[in-house]
Amino acid sequence: AQSVTQPDIHITVSEGASLELRCNYSYGATPYLFWYVQSPGQGLQLLLKYFSGDTLVQGIKGFEAEFKRSQSSFNLRKPSVHWSDAAEYFCAVGSNDYKLSFGAGTTVTVRA
Amino acid sequence: DAGITQSPRHKVTETGTPVTLRCHQTENHRYMYWYRQDPGHGLRLIHYSYGVKDTDKGEVSDGYSVSRSKTEDFLLTLESATSSQTSVYFCAIRSESTGELFFGEGSRLTVL
Repeated sequence: AQSVTQPDIHITVSEGASLELRCNYSYGATPYLFWYVQSPGQGLQLLLKYFSGDTLVQGIKGFEAEFKRSQSSFNLRKPSVHWSDAAEYFCAVGSNDYKLSFGAGTTVTVRA
Repeated sequence: DAGITQSPRHKVTETGTPVTLRCHQTENHRYMYWYRQDPGHGLRLIHYSYGVKDTDKGEVSDGYSVSRSKTEDFLLTLESATSSQTSVYFCAIRSESTGELFFGEGSRLTVL
């Protein structure tokens, strides 16, 4: 069975600074990887996904993520955060039976 | 919008009572999912469906049942609600063309 670990429960970053959220997965085959964002009281929105091909993927809102098979990682980055990026971020891994497993999430606080 | 709605959005009930949550989609997607979200756990899969009358268990299925009698509706039932089932429940549908999951806005259930 697949699993996801997000080592950081909470990250605080200054507006305009860079952001990196870590994600490590466990899965025996080539994974399908996702990053979702959830604003308070809202559902989840897809930021980006990796299925195959280029290991650096671009998403919405200026986010990108890099798949590193050797490290079983799929870290999310943004060069310059905005106050509206304050939210909870979830990494997820999908398998061939189309089930997604989510990490516990990382809450991002943006300070002025 | 992905054309997915959940009802009710909020419900308070007492221990031992039955509860049914409804997920309705207008996209005609084959795969539908029920997740629960709890602090520190992210989203955990309860049950999912891969077609009418075709369902399977997720990682936290005990105490829950589901039914899918038509493509557009996926029902989650708690036969006898317990306080441990207090949670926010999310329905999701999977796009066959992109592989991503689209989420509803969630149903907050409180079991007293």
